Amino acid sequence: DVKVTQSSRYLVKRTGEKVFLECVQDMDHENMFWYRQDPGLGLRLIYFSYDVKMKEKGDIPEGYSVSREKKERFSLILESASTNQTSMYLCASRLTGNSPLHFGNGTRLTVT
Amino acid sequence: AQSVTQPDIHITVSEGASLELRCNYSYGATPYLFWYVQSPGQGLQLLLKYFSGDTLVQGIKGFEAEFKRSQSSFNLRKPSVHWSDAAEYFCAVGFILTGGGNKLTFGTGTQLKVEL
Repeated sequence: DVKVTQSSRYLVKRTGEKVFLECVQDMDHENMFWYRQDPGLGLRLIYFSYDVKMKEKGDIPEGYSVSREKKERFSLILESASTNQTSMYLCASRLTGNSPLHFGNGTRLTVT
Repeated sequence: AQSVTQPDIHITVSEGASLELRCNYSYGATPYLFWYVQSPGQGLQLLLKYFSGDTLVQGIKGFEAEFKRSQSSFNLRKPSVHWSDAAEYFCAVGFILTGGGNKLTFGTGTQLKVEL
């Protein structure tokens, strides 16, 4: 079974801090994704990566960056956290373009 | 622009009753279609998917969905709901991008409550 692991379930950070959210998948998937989930807005795509060292902007990339140095790991970076980035962050991976996404359990980030 | 609509934000059904969750999309071609379920504090789990072929697809946990091209819909159904089905359900639609690759767009979700 595919496992997507997000390193933290809950994080509390202060405004202006640099925040790293880590995601690791164990099934050699090519594609990896970062979404944020907010009530009433569903899931919105922040960034995605089709392969190592490749990244593409999603629908709401502002205020975020990503890193994919190894195939199994995809990191989301908040360069300077702001209160409007308080949210649930979900990482996902898939084998190919038509495959279903496999999700991690999410990281609930609170920025105070 | 492509879009996905789940018109029902909340639905309450009695245990044992039938269920239908609606999903409509806007897209010029046949998309890839998915339903996911999210239990509290968890990530999303795939219930079923449609790529092509038979328009009625079976999924896990007794769920099924029917693709209706004429209505641009992919509604999720279950004949008899169990209390453990209480969760949030997301429809997702995969659109082919002009430059290649595809993009998955999620609906805003439907929160299902099951009354005992």
